[in-house]
Amino acid sequence: KAGVTQTPRYLIKTRGQQVTLSCSPISGHRSVSWYQQTPGQGLQFLFEYFSETQRNKGNFPGRFSGRQFSNSRSEMNVSTLELGDSALYLCASKGPTNTGELFFGEGSRLTVL
Amino acid sequence: DQQVKQNSPSLSVQEGRISILNCDYTNSMFDYFLWYKKYPAEGPTFLISISSIKDKNEDGRFTVFLNKSAKHLSLHIVPSQPGDSAVYFCAVSGAGSYQLTFGKGTKLSVIP
Repeated sequence: KAGVTQTPRYLIKTRGQQVTLSCSPISGHRSVSWYQQTPGQGLQFLFEYFSETQRNKGNFPGRFSGRQFSNSRSEMNVSTLELGDSALYLCASKGPTNTGELFFGEGSRLTVL
Repeated sequence: DQQVKQNSPSLSVQEGRISILNCDYTNSMFDYFLWYKKYPAEGPTFLISISSIKDKNEDGRFTVFLNKSAKHLSLHIVPSQPGDSAVYFCAVSGAGSYQLTFGKGTKLSVIP
């Protein structure tokens, strides 16, 4: 069973640009969530989608947005990039159990110059 | 306001000995408590979890203990192996939310 796939794995942008990251969840998983990992803050929740609807959103500015498609694939977008947006962006998918277990992809490493 | 705290940023343990990683949380409404392991340049991988109705869960070398009265969670690794060297995150879920809330992680180094 294929795991969670994220693209691109690495990317470099400059301040003011925008970026789109993609995530394909495990087949059959309908919930996709996104997390930002930085050295100082650890893993912070961005948002979660289920059946194309955003169910929950973390404490991030409106420059961070996302969406989910009918095939459960998800994208997140960051507009007007700032230096502080440099981070590892992790996507996770969740199956039908309610144990809280998430399956993470390897992440997209974003560097903003 | 951190809901999940891992107060030790790092821990060094000799190979073969026990590793104990600790985590404290603030909200007594959490339903599930999880431990994730993360290697550099990889996503976190699920290790073990425990429901709020239990106080212990064991899986091979890994045991998680939950002390609800103290709002404290711990992970025991026995015996520790060099391959266990990684960053360990505790996470909580529930309390009406679908998200996981993570601690900031503890870097475990197992010395051969």
